[in-house]
Amino acid sequence: DAKTTQPPSMDCAEGRAANLPCNHSTISGNEYVYWYRQIHSQGPQYIIHGLKNNETNEMASLIITEDRKSSTLILPHATLRDTAVYYCIVRVGQAGTALIFGKGTTLSVSS
Amino acid sequence: GAVVSQHPSWVICKSGTSVKIECRSLDFQATTMFWYRQFPKQSLMLMATSNEGSKATYEQGVEKDKFLINHASLTLSTLTVTSAHPEDSSFYICSARDRLGGGTYNEQFFGPGTRLTVL
Repeated sequence: DAKTTQPPSMDCAEGRAANLPCNHSTISGNEYVYWYRQIHSQGPQYIIHGLKNNETNEMASLIITEDRKSSTLILPHATLRDTAVYYCIVRVGQAGTALIFGKGTTLSVSS
Repeated sequence: GAVVSQHPSWVICKSGTSVKIECRSLDFQATTMFWYRQFPKQSLMLMATSNEGSKATYEQGVEKDKFLINHASLTLSTLTVTSAHPEDSSFYICSARDRLGGGTYNEQFFGPGTRLTVL
C-alpha cells in the first residue's frame, strides 16, 4: 500500500521557488518523512528528512504540518539542474529497512 | 555526504551470460545494502536486502537463483545476474546503510546505478 501521495508532475520557472507537496495521512508517530530526488539515469540523491519540526539545509526546506499528515519540500530558487523526479518517503528512522519508492513527482524547471 | 560507488556503470552482454555488478561504500561501513531495479519511466523497485555475512532477503517475485547477492564485507556487495535475458535489461541501483546513522542523520546512500543491456 502506498504510504504517500504526490502529484505526478509539476512545472516551475527558473529562479522561482518550487513547492512540492506530499500527503502521508497514515504516518505513524515514529516515522520520518524523507525526500530524495533522481535526475535522469542517476541514482537517487538524498535531499532532506524530518520527524515533526521544519528542517532546512543547503538544498531545501521541509515543512511538516502540525498533524504530520502532509509536508512540502521547498526548493527556494529552482534551477534547470533541479529538473528531476522527487520522491517523498515515510519510514521509521532507525529501522534499517529499505526505502520504498512510490511514483514521485516529476519536476520540470524551465527558463 | 557518504559515497557509494557501482561498477560497472554500464554493461552490454549476450543472452545466456552472467553479469556481476559491484556496490561499494567508500567512506563508511555498511552492514546492510539494498538492491533495486528500475525499468524505463518507472520507479525504483526493491529486489533484495543484503546483510553482511548472511544470506540476502529477496522481495516477492524476485528469483534468488537468478539474482545472486553476496555481501562478504562491510564495504562490498555484489549482484550477479545469471543467465541474463533481454527482459533483465534494466537500471540496477544499490544503496548502503551507514551502520552509525539513523534518526536525525540520514543513513542510506545510493550508488550511481548500472545500466544492463542484454542482447
